[in-house]
Formats: sequence, C-alpha cells, structure tokens
Amino acid sequence: GAGVSQSPRYKVAKRGQDVALRCDPISGHVSLFWYQQALGQGPEFLTYFQNEAQLDKSGLPSDRFFAERPEGSVSTLKIQRTQQEDSAVYLCASSLGRDRGSSGYTFGSGTRLTVV
Amino acid sequence: DAKTTQPTSMDCAEGRAANLPCNHSTISGNEYVYWYRQIHSQGPQYIIHGLKNNETNEMASLIITEDRKSSTLILPHATLRDTAMYYCIVRSRLSNDYKLSFGAGTTVTVRA
Repeated sequence: GAGVSQSPRYKVAKRGQDVALRCDPISGHVSLFWYQQALGQGPEFLTYFQNEAQLDKSGLPSDRFFAERPEGSVSTLKIQRTQQEDSAVYLCASSLGRDRGSSGYTFGSGTRLTVV
Repeated sequence: DAKTTQPTSMDCAEGRAANLPCNHSTISGNEYVYWYRQIHSQGPQYIIHGLKNNETNEMASLIITEDRKSSTLILPHATLRDTAMYYCIVRSRLSNDYKLSFGAGTTVTVRA
C-alpha cells in the first residue's frame, strides 16, 4: 500500500482483557518498529523487526507485551491482561532497509488503546 | 539523559518563516540531527536530517551551527497545516542504531 496501515484505529478494552493490534507496513519494507506514545509524551521505542526476526524487544514494558511478524510483512502487537497504564497510542513504523542515516521511517496513524 | 533541548512551544504567523531552535551540545561526530513532526491524531512524519552541512528539501531547511551544538529548522512559509509537535532528534549514523529517541518536542501553532 501507499503507507503504513494500522488497525483498529481505536480500541477500548476492559482491564484484564487481551488485545491484538495489527500493522501492515509498506510493501517490501524490511524493518518494522513499534512505539508507544502516552498522552502528552513523545513516542517510546518498544521493539524492532528485521524481516521476521525480532532483533530488539528491549522496550517492551513487561512480559504481558508480545510482538510477532511471522512472514516478514504484517506484524501484530499483543497485550495480555491489559492494565490502565497500557492506555496509549501504539505506533508502527517501517523502513526499506537498515536505515543507515537515510531519510527516515514511515509511521502509521497509530491505534489508540483505552483500558477502562 | 536528554540529548536535545527545545522550547516547549512557539507561535508563528501564517505566511511567515518559522524558525525552530534545538540545542544538542553533546552531539558526537557520528550523530545526525533529524527532525520529525506530528500533527494531531497522526503518526510522526519525517521532515529533514543533516550531519554538518545545511540541508534543504521541499518541506524545510536545516541550519546546523559550525560547532554542531545547535540547529534551526526553518519552515519558509508557514501555513495553518504546519501546526504540529516538532521533534529534534540526535541519532547515530552507525547501522546498528535504529531507534528514534523522541524528546518533549516543541508545540508549534501557526496563527492566521
């Protein structure tokens, strides 16, 4: 597609519920990133994929957070037993290659998760 | 530790140039200066980046001081659609540095 597509656009979950957030990167983009953006804050790195390999998950806040990209294209961020502090916008970004100081990443519009 | 400091907010008039400052006094020779912006309810959008020379593209110009300790993003003719949060980011040119560390940013409001 022309851009990075994320779904759903909005998600309301009851505390304790599991959620799955989807990211469709730009076709052919090797690198994929997930960021979390709390209200009034800048985005914070969560995890990074190169094709299907998850090379860095150091930003995932707890073991309730899990991300996958099994075929090297679509990625899913799963949050188990959601808590109120998980409420945030979850942003996905992709880039063509390893991005060695090149023009930057393309971000999706994000999924706004509200845990009630 | 924050690598960049930016003013919290600034206003500018539609049609005038908007000059957004950023301090990065601890920048190393291997680090680029990147600018992204985020319009309300959208993801961040890449604007421009540079190492030590001034850069210009269709969106903006980036002026980096000779000592590289600060830079200015210039939007030559601001429009209402330029109202957004602007982030100045320092990032290594090394291939294994892929993270973007967003700071607090500058809220820019363009007024008619």
